[in-house]
Amino acid sequence: QVQLVESGGGVVQPGRSLRLSCAASGFTFSTYAIHWVRQAPGKGLEWVAVISYDGSNKYYADSVKGRFTISRDNSKNTLYLQMNSLRAEDTALYYCARRYYYYDNSGSRFDCAFDIWGQGTMVTVSS
Amino acid sequence: DIQMTQSPSTLSASVGDRVTITCRASQSISSWLAWYQQKPGKAPKLLIYDASSLESGVPSRFSGSGSGTEFTLTISSLQPDDFATYYCQQYNSYSITFGQGTRLEIK
Repeated sequence: QVQLVESGGGVVQPGRSLRLSCAASGFTFSTYAIHWVRQAPGKGLEWVAVISYDGSNKYYADSVKGRFTISRDNSKNTLYLQMNSLRAEDTALYYCARRYYYYDNSGSRFDCAFDIWGQGTMVTVSS
Repeated sequence: DIQMTQSPSTLSASVGDRVTITCRASQSISSWLAWYQQKPGKAPKLLIYDASSLESGVPSRFSGSGSGTEFTLTISSLQPDDFATYYCQQYNSYSITFGQGTRLEIK
């Protein structure tokens, strides 16, 4: 069964750190870019970060740049999000999501939309 | 960053209605657009990718169209299971952005 399972959320004080994990199963994890997306309570979806399939490229939303670090261990089929200097506005449900890809007739790879999402892990930043 | 603007924010409709949700991009994104459905307490579900391609397993009453900066999601005949929140998403650049969402509610 293709799935992503997040863990590591919890209640943390402002300024502290937390590390989220996303365990993948049922597919070849090492060939997919994986993203973190968050959703504050009652709000919309906000993209947070992405890591390429091999970990060589990482990009972040401006709101978390310099504070969050995305990483992956392909030998463990696991994605991570190290969150430092947490703020109240980081309070959200954090999802990991697989960005699927396909090849066109010429053999060019196209990275596409997010076809598999985890169930999310809640992070609450509060004193 | 590319901004995505959805309209309307809330839409009231009845079972059997045909509804359309619009998404506008602040700059051209070609056809690199997806639509998701989200129900309370659940993760988003992919409906449409590449602006008009129907994800496997999604009912054919859902369709997408558009390119460049203007896109639409159409549900041809609303079913009770369709009342949810819908998001568009651009993936033209590495910095992905979502629309603010459209809540589809029962009239």
